[in-house]
Amino acid sequence: AQKITQTQPGMFVQEKEAVTLDCTYDTSDPSYGLFWYKQPSSGEMIFLIYQGSYDQQNATEGRYSLNFQKARKSANLVISASQLGDSAMYFCAMSRTGGFKTIFGAGTRLFVKA
Amino acid sequence: EAGVVQSPRYKIIEKKQPVAFWCNPISGHNTLYWYLQNLGQGPELLIRYENEEAVDDSQLPKDRFSAERLKGVDSTLKIQPAELGDSAVYLCASSLRTGGVETQYFGPGTRLLVL
Repeated sequence: AQKITQTQPGMFVQEKEAVTLDCTYDTSDPSYGLFWYKQPSSGEMIFLIYQGSYDQQNATEGRYSLNFQKARKSANLVISASQLGDSAMYFCAMSRTGGFKTIFGAGTRLFVKA
Repeated sequence: EAGVVQSPRYKIIEKKQPVAFWCNPISGHNTLYWYLQNLGQGPELLIRYENEEAVDDSQLPKDRFSAERLKGVDSTLKIQPAELGDSAVYLCASSLRTGGVETQYFGPGTRLLVL
């Protein structure tokens, strides 16, 4: 069975500093994808970044990067130069290749301090 | 390009009443999902459609929940009768079926409060 674990219920970071949000996963499938979503207080889940299990390089999207360590089954999100608007819930998610359902972790609430 | 549209954004009803949520996916997206998100938790899949066909409804409580996507575009999720425990956020998402890993794009959700 697939499982996503986010062990940090809440994180604080100073504005302009970098922060790492942890995500570990468990799957027996050889081909899968990992996602990070941001959910501000407005409720919408905003897609941030995607990493395929066969991708050789870590994914990057602007200030977001995904630290993918396949052997350790971890897919941590790194946010550089944090901004006040980054304060939100962040969810790690995984999906098997072929369009099967996506499972989500419990989320990490990030607080950015001015 | 317009994103996933959901309505209403908020709904307050008394228990035992019926309620319906509507979703319009991103144009061209053939896969549509309904998720339930309880407070402080990640979304959990209720049902997944590929075009008009419900291909995964194993987590949908069929005694009170129903869904439809008649023309393969818009979808409606209904609860009848609602219970106190149904208070949650109902999220709709859509994706483009590619055969690989599909990125899902979410709507703003409907916040349901059952009194």
